Amino acid sequence: DAGVIQSPRHEVTEMGQEVTLRCKPISGHDYLFWYRQTMMRGLELLIYFNNNVPIDDSGMPEDRFSAKMPNASFSTLKIQPSEPRDSAVYFCASSYWTSGFFSNEQFFGPGTRLTVL
Amino acid sequence: AQTVTQSQPEMSVQEAETVTLSCTYDTSESDYYLFWYKQPPSRQMILVIRQEAYKQQNATENRFSVNFQKAAKSFSLKISDSQLGDAAMYFCAYRRRREDYGGSQGNLIFGKGTKLSVKP
Repeated sequence: DAGVIQSPRHEVTEMGQEVTLRCKPISGHDYLFWYRQTMMRGLELLIYFNNNVPIDDSGMPEDRFSAKMPNASFSTLKIQPSEPRDSAVYFCASSYWTSGFFSNEQFFGPGTRLTVL
Repeated sequence: AQTVTQSQPEMSVQEAETVTLSCTYDTSESDYYLFWYKQPPSRQMILVIRQEAYKQQNATENRFSVNFQKAAKSFSLKISDSQLGDAAMYFCAYRRRREDYGGSQGNLIFGKGTKLSVKP
């Protein structure tokens, strides 16, 4: 299995531009998580999906951020318009539910390093 | 709300020696999971070890072991025979265990991390 795939690995953009981050979860996983990592705030959950449905988006910082999961194999995190304070590493992770038990492990992608100038 | 605290921003250990990373957490739940993740310079988050709160026995994975003190809400990671490849950021994380389908039980709550350096 290729693991969780994220693209791009690095993104540099200018303030005010739209940024789209992409994630492909591990096949068969039905939970998908978006995290943001900064020096100041550490790792924080932005949103997560179950069977393509957003379950908890309370971590999404503001309306400039939006996330979608149109199917089981693809999710996007969009920032529009982007600001310098959005500069961070964004991780996608996936997990699964089976036999009534939530898996113990979330599998993380390599992250996207976003720099907003 | 649950919180996870790692009080050591940085630690250093000599190669082949043993080091212990500290983690405390706060929760009103009685059943939950605790994890240690490693993040090397590549940024990849790698699960090192996990512990179920209902288990008395401390988890062990090769050179990695934990000291889980439920009453004290403490979950430290011990790395024995440290190797150069152990140098990384280490994150302690918490997830509550509610096995009902859906709901908000899925997300991990992370500490701020401890940067471990290994000296040759």
